[in-house]
Amino acid sequence: QPVLTQPPSASASLGASVTLTCTLSSGYSNYKVDWYQQRPGKGPRFVMRVGTGGIVGSKGDGIPDRFSVLGSGLNRYLTIKNIQEEDESDYHCGADHGSGSNFVVVFGGGTKLTVL
Amino acid sequence: QITLKESGPTLVKPTQTLTLTCTFSGFSLSTSGVGVGWIRQPPGKALEWLALIYWDDDKRYSPSLKSRLTITKDTSKNQVVLTMTNMDPVDTATYYCAHRLGPTQFDYWGQGTLVTVSS
Repeated sequence: QPVLTQPPSASASLGASVTLTCTLSSGYSNYKVDWYQQRPGKGPRFVMRVGTGGIVGSKGDGIPDRFSVLGSGLNRYLTIKNIQEEDESDYHCGADHGSGSNFVVVFGGGTKLTVL
Repeated sequence: QITLKESGPTLVKPTQTLTLTCTFSGFSLSTSGVGVGWIRQPPGKALEWLALIYWDDDKRYSPSLKSRLTITKDTSKNQVVLTMTNMDPVDTATYYCAHRLGPTQFDYWGQGTLVTVSS
């Protein structure tokens, strides 16, 4: 099964842009990844799914246009433009693997985004 | 509008069995493709997927926890129940349930419920 690796922290100034990275382990370059936002003390919120061709399906409810995704090789990126205070959150990536009795959902360790 | 809410004990003793209930609205677990999953998050740590049940009673479990987990659904009550046996302090976490449609993402999540395992 794939391993998803995320940097533990990132920071950006108010109004700036930031790109968060989720890296799939070798051999899983065709996998789609789901991005989730988790504000302090809250449950995760689906942002969007990304594959090598970009967004897959629709954004989550209420996700602003400032959020976008790209996929390249083993990396799946979430870019936030014009960062706002409300974007300060933990961002998690997740992916499905396998089918039937071998099905699993795996998550990365999460990236804590600080808005300066 | 889809909503989910987790309920259950906040404190369990080691070796006890945990029973959590996810009560949802805005969708039916008798609709083709619909699923509900459980995911947990120890304090300050990553998300960990536990189990998933689909509208047709198809069930999936985390391989590392499969022997301890049971997921069931009560379509008439709009509820999904997760039981976890032989609880240990390392199982202390916030437990979330989430909606899923077919092989897609967990698109709606509950607020979570914190379960502490301690004697």
